[in-house]
Amino acid sequence: GENVEQHPSTLSVQEGDSAVIKCTYSDSASNYFPWYKQELGKGPQLIIDIRSNVGEKKDQRIAVTLNKTAKHFSLHITETQPEDSAVYFCAARGSGNTPLVFGKGTRLSVIA
Amino acid sequence: GAVVSQHPSWVICKSGTSVKIECRSLDFQATTMFWYRQFPKQSLMLMATSNEGSKATYEQGVEKDKFLINHASLTLSTLTVTSAHPEDSSFYICSATLAGGGNEQFFGPGTRLTVL
Repeated sequence: GENVEQHPSTLSVQEGDSAVIKCTYSDSASNYFPWYKQELGKGPQLIIDIRSNVGEKKDQRIAVTLNKTAKHFSLHITETQPEDSAVYFCAARGSGNTPLVFGKGTRLSVIA
Repeated sequence: GAVVSQHPSWVICKSGTSVKIECRSLDFQATTMFWYRQFPKQSLMLMATSNEGSKATYEQGVEKDKFLINHASLTLSTLTVTSAHPEDSSFYICSATLAGGGNEQFFGPGTRLTVL
């Protein structure tokens, strides 16, 4: 089955700097890669996703890149703000309604 | 759009009692709903996959008789924790996918269960 590794587990950046979180996956059949932001005591919120037929996707300060050959994908947050502080999870999924497989999460702290 | 709600948001119960958690898709029909549990500072662990009108598929190690899942309609799935014990205390989160396809999985706000 699918296995998703996520690094780093914790990340501290100064406000205004960029943050990068990386994930690798094992199943070459996976074709959907979402990123979720989870604040304390709340459910995960989808912030951006990418499908296997696309190499990069951007939405304002957030971007995701996918390298299918190497089976890794990354989340990039530019101009970080204190409200970006949260736990971020990457995930991977195959076709149909197969469940998402999550990474272990990255706790991002943006220091003002 | 694509809002998933859970009720209750938190619950405290005595050991040995049963607790029901509801998961609703508010503005869309969900063919499939998923139930996760999350321990503090850990990732989401899939418990079961619930398809409308059929029996849930449980992940290895999850007791189906303890965690009863019912998905009676395209907008509602329920998780009942039977004979709850303190080790069942956790954050339970549901998610739903849109009927008719699409990869997006939308999560509810979670239910914090504390068993005394």
